[in-house]
Amino acid sequence: GNSVTQMEGPVTLSEEAFLTINCTYTATGYPSLFWYVQYPGEGLQLLLKATKADDKGSNKGFEATYRKETTSFHLEKGSVQVSDSAVYFCALSDNWETSYDKVIFGPGTSLSVIP
Amino acid sequence: DGGITQSPKYLFRKEGQNVTLSCEQNLNHDAMYWYRQDPGQGLRLIYYSQIVNDFQKGDIAEGYSVSREKKESFPLTVTSAQKNPTAFYLCASSIRQGAYEQYFGPGTRLTVT
Repeated sequence: GNSVTQMEGPVTLSEEAFLTINCTYTATGYPSLFWYVQYPGEGLQLLLKATKADDKGSNKGFEATYRKETTSFHLEKGSVQVSDSAVYFCALSDNWETSYDKVIFGPGTSLSVIP
Repeated sequence: DGGITQSPKYLFRKEGQNVTLSCEQNLNHDAMYWYRQDPGQGLRLIYYSQIVNDFQKGDIAEGYSVSREKKESFPLTVTSAQKNPTAFYLCASSIRQGAYEQYFGPGTRLTVT
């Protein structure tokens, strides 16, 4: 079945440091890939997404590229801020209309950015 | 503003009582979902609904029940049969079921003692 693996953290970085959170997936079909962010005490928000191989999703300085050859969707940001402190979830969604699969979320990676 | 509301934000119950968590959306989405989140863990799917009057069990449906009588509403009942009900519960919706963005509510933190 489909699955998502991501580095579990916690990750602690200094402000303006470079961020990478690794995410790899296993899928039988042609999934769409997502990164969601959860700030303390809140629900999840979509950060970015990519729907096919080689697509790059980007938002708020974050980027991730859908790499089918390495089955990866790593999240990157060039210069993190204290306000980026949150939990980041990698997720995979296959085409339910045909496969009746479901959205698979990774375990989340907690990021703390210190001034 | 369009979005998903969950109420209440915090809920406290005694063991053995059933409790219903509210979820309402005004996004005109067909699909709705309930997830459970435990500390340091990812999301686990409890139930989902593709359309009014239809819903399916997720990975951890035991001890929970839902209804979908209106498109906008998808309440979750945590029954006394749920062995470990204390958790953070998240409701979400998407335009329809499939590889679409899910929109999440702010969550309800349920504590059962």
